[in-house]
Amino acid sequence: DAGVTQSPTHLIKTRGQQVTLRCSPKSGHDTVSWYQQALGQGPQFIFQYYEEEERQRGNFPDRFSGHQFPNYSSELNVNALLLGDSALYLCASSWGPQGRNTIYFGEGSWLTVV
Amino acid sequence: AQKVTQAQTEISVVEKEDVTLDCVYETRDTTYYLFWYKQPPSGELVFLIRRNSFDEQNEISGRYSWNFQKSTSSFNFTITASQVVDSAVYFCALSGQFSSGSARQLTFGSGTQLTVLP
Repeated sequence: DAGVTQSPTHLIKTRGQQVTLRCSPKSGHDTVSWYQQALGQGPQFIFQYYEEEERQRGNFPDRFSGHQFPNYSSELNVNALLLGDSALYLCASSWGPQGRNTIYFGEGSWLTVV
Repeated sequence: AQKVTQAQTEISVVEKEDVTLDCVYETRDTTYYLFWYKQPPSGELVFLIRRNSFDEQNEISGRYSWNFQKSTSSFNFTITASQVVDSAVYFCALSGQFSSGSARQLTFGSGTQLTVLP
């Protein structure tokens, strides 16, 4: 049973560029959330997708956008990269948006903006 | 608003010692869920436990135990007979619940870096 998988694991981008991160949820899961974790801090919620729609959004600018596909996989896009976007980006999945369901995380994508 | 406080930034113990990681939370939701995750250097957040706000039973799983007290809004985590492999950053997290039944996003504490020395 595959867990949450993310790609790429590491990448380096230049300020002003755009990046796309990908996530495949755990088998049987249909809800995907994205979190940003800066060095030495706890993860911060970016947004959640369920039934191919953005259901909740954290305090992140519109430069951060996402998409969920019919197979429940998801992408996180960040435009006009800033140095401060350097972080670990974590994808989490669960079955349904209800709180009673356990949320599992992937290993993350380490983004460095230079 | 949801808030999670982990006052202990770093803890260092010698192998076989017991260690307790503190977590205090704030929420206005009547139904909520509390989580503990372990994050090794690789980055993956490893799920350890989930507790519902209406279930205050403490839980023990091997060397791990959790003490949930609604009266003090605390959800503390104890590792008994710690081992070097327990070294990691531990996060406490909270998810409230909308009236519709959907969960609010996970709000994490700032984490506690646990170092177990041989």
